[in-house]
Amino acid sequence: QVQLVQSGSELKNPGASVKVSCKASGYTFKTSAMNWVRQAPGQGLEWMGWINTKTGNPTYAQGFTGRFVFSLDTSVSTAYLQISSLKAEDTAVYYCARDVSTATFDYWGQGTLVTVSS
Amino acid sequence: QSALTQPASVSGSPGQSITISCTGTSSDVGRYKYVSWYQQHPGKAPKLMISDVSNRPSGVSNRFSGSKSGNTASLTISGLQAEDEADYYCSSYTGSSTLFGTGTKVTVL
Repeated sequence: QVQLVQSGSELKNPGASVKVSCKASGYTFKTSAMNWVRQAPGQGLEWMGWINTKTGNPTYAQGFTGRFVFSLDTSVSTAYLQISSLKAEDTAVYYCARDVSTATFDYWGQGTLVTVSS
Repeated sequence: QSALTQPASVSGSPGQSITISCTGTSSDVGRYKYVSWYQQHPGKAPKLMISDVSNRPSGVSNRFSGSKSGNTASLTISGLQAEDEADYYCSSYTGSSTLFGTGTKVTVL
């Protein structure tokens, strides 16, 4: 069965960096794009962008350029989200989500809570 | 781009039907068939309920149905059950990105 398993919660100081992992299993990793979605506390879903798992080419949504980096390690079927120069407003749950077809996310990771606080 | 517009809350009694609207523009909802709906229970990841405006993935109850007219998509839940109480989000392809709705809290009275 398809599973996306994300790394655990993180508590970081402002200005630090964090790397969230999303390990896929149960399907051929390179057949589906991987998306990242942010959900701030008590707020809605916000699409951050996606990464082409065949080429490694990332696409970032408006507002997620510069400090946000999507990457892959296809040898272990894992996608990564790295956020640098963390700010308090980056505090959120970050989800990875598999793209089954155009803008349709059929499997989601369990979410990773990133808390930015001194 | 602004989020797609959904009502903040919708409520209904068990057994009733409710409809959640999702209003976009001619550049997203009105242009593409790629409208999806997601259910999210507190503390859980979203779950795909409807794809491509009206397709129901395997395993999703047939009490859930989707439609679209012009720039507005709709999710209808018939025979409302206690387990349907959750947040619901629509999403649409925009040609170069995915846009989520503002979210609707469904309360079962």
